[in-house]
Amino acid sequence: GEDVEQSLFLSVREGDSSVINCTYTDSSSTYLYWYKQEPGAGLQLLTYIFSNMDMKQDQRLTVLLNKKDKHLSLRIADTQTGDSAIYFCAESTYDYKLSFGAGTTVTVRA
Amino acid sequence: DTAVSQTPKYLVTQMGNDKSIKCEQNLGHDTMYWYKQDSKKFLKIMFSYNNKELIINETVPNRFSPKSPDKAHLNLHINSLELGDSAVYFCASSPTRDRGNEQYFGPGTRLTVT
Repeated sequence: GEDVEQSLFLSVREGDSSVINCTYTDSSSTYLYWYKQEPGAGLQLLTYIFSNMDMKQDQRLTVLLNKKDKHLSLRIADTQTGDSAIYFCAESTYDYKLSFGAGTTVTVRA
Repeated sequence: DTAVSQTPKYLVTQMGNDKSIKCEQNLGHDTMYWYKQDSKKFLKIMFSYNNKELIINETVPNRFSPKSPDKAHLNLHINSLELGDSAVYFCASSPTRDRGNEQYFGPGTRLTVT
């Protein structure tokens, strides 16, 4: 929605790193998330970061949070064809409702 | 062993009809949600139930009525279907209301209204 913004498309070469960016508006956000949606499937929670953290790493995934700028990024190292999907950034506040961005479609080319 | 399941996966119906979508989770979670994803992939929460009690009710037409017979099930009934209701509807669950960060999504129900 309008509270969470992402670029719509990203094309990356196989083996390179992908960086997906997201900005949010609610400074009271408690958790920020990255979800992955493959074609015809539901959303899969990839990772999330608590708002008092700057960075979280999980295998090939690195999440960076700049709370001052309200900017969140997801870096995927060594991008593979199986990483082609739509990636959603989301935030939740005190009432634990998730507000999603419009999704970034990542296309991995050989 | 599916965690969050929805039926049907596809639903094609005519304007004016009434239809239901069912959701079940076998994770033992207390909280369940319904989301709508439109053709532009924009996802928006519609409802949330915690232990059969409605806790989130976003601005949704009255034609949409959720029902939770028990904490493992959350169904969505839609009356007088309109063309604009065409979307993918996702069910999700989380362990508790306070752990809404751990939401697990179902595979979605693609509703097409003709």
